Formats: sequence, structure tokens, C-alpha cells
Amino acid sequence: KQEVTQIPAALSVPEGENLVLNCSFTDSAIYNLQWFRQDPGKGLTSLLLIQSSQREQTSGRLNASLDKSSGRSTLYIAASQPGDSATYLCAVRPGGSEKLVFGKGTKLTVNP
Amino acid sequence: DGGITQSPKYLFRKEGQNVTLSCEQNLNHDAMYWYRQDPGQGLRLIYYSQIVNDFQKGDIAEGYSVSREKKESFPLTVTSAQKNPTAFYLCASSNAQTGELFFGEGSRLTVL
Repeated sequence: KQEVTQIPAALSVPEGENLVLNCSFTDSAIYNLQWFRQDPGKGLTSLLLIQSSQREQTSGRLNASLDKSSGRSTLYIAASQPGDSATYLCAVRPGGSEKLVFGKGTKLTVNP
Repeated sequence: DGGITQSPKYLFRKEGQNVTLSCEQNLNHDAMYWYRQDPGQGLRLIYYSQIVNDFQKGDIAEGYSVSREKKESFPLTVTSAQKNPTAFYLCASSNAQTGELFFGEGSRLTVL
């Protein structure tokens, strides 16, 4: 059974710092991996989608990497800003399945 | 603008009442999903539908029902059989080509 873990559960950093959020999964047979952002009381916003054949994706200050063999993905945020404060979730779509498996998220606070 | 619309945003229900949450998408996606989010538990899949007139139970379907009569619409009914219905409910749809998942803004249900 696929399990997704995000450590740490919470992270607080000063503004301007570069940071890395981690996501690990137990079964490397995945179709894709997706990173989301969730603000309090809101839905999830898709940040980056990495297909199983890809190693990384970039969007602005965000860069996500995928290492299937080790069951790990990282989300790199450059030059963090207070507006980046949110909960970040990763989810994997197991191969042959319509059902994504979500991690519980990392709550990020960027202090001015 | 394309997207997923959930309504109502907030809903209060007395015990013993059924309530229906609406989810409409104009992204032309075939697959749609309902998730439940509780603090500390992450997202849990209630039901999903890959095509009109067909749907499957997710991990926590008991006490819920759905219909998929139109491609654009996937309403969720929370029945009186659901023991602990107070939660944040999220609707999503996915792009068939990429597998990318998109979410609505959510509906918060409170049972009084």
C-alpha cells in the first residue's frame, strides 16, 4: 500500500531564505507526483506536476524534483516571502490507479 | 475562466438531515472526486467518478452518496447515516492527458 510522508509537519523561516520541503513515498511505481499549496480555509492550488519519466519541474521560484528509485521528492522555494506562508501537500498517483495518495502536508511560515 | 465551483461555501445542518453539496466544473474533465479533510488526518477520498453515469467508492464512502448524470456535475449527499459529518469537503477533477488534479474552494459543513 502506497504511503506518503511529509517531514517536518511545520517549518518557520525568516523572509528571504531558500528552503526545501520533503516528500517521501513507499512504492516507486507511480504515474506522477503533484505538489499543492493550501491556504487556511481554502481549496488546494496545484503548484507543480512531475510525470514519472521526469526528474524535475520549475515554475518561477519553485522547483520540484523527483527521484523514484529512492521514493523522494523535494520542493525548493527560492527567496521565500511572507506570501509563501501556507500548507504544502504532495500527492502521488500510483501506476494504474485513479486514486491519489496524499501526504499530511508541511505548514510553512515565512516571517517578515 | 475554467475552474471548479463548489457551493455552498458554508453549510449548517441539524442532526438527522441529509444535505447535498454541489460541484460543477467547466474544465471538460472526465474524472471527478470528492475528498474530506479533517485536522491532522489529511485528505481522504469519499467517492470518485471516471465517466458519466459511473462512480466508485473511495476509502470512506459510508454515509455518503453521489450521482454523475452530467459530465460537468458531481454532487455529494451527506446522509444522516454519516456519524461525524462535520468537516471540510473538497471536490476535484483531473486532466485525462496529464493526470493533473484541480480542486474547488471547498465547502465547510457543520452539524449542530
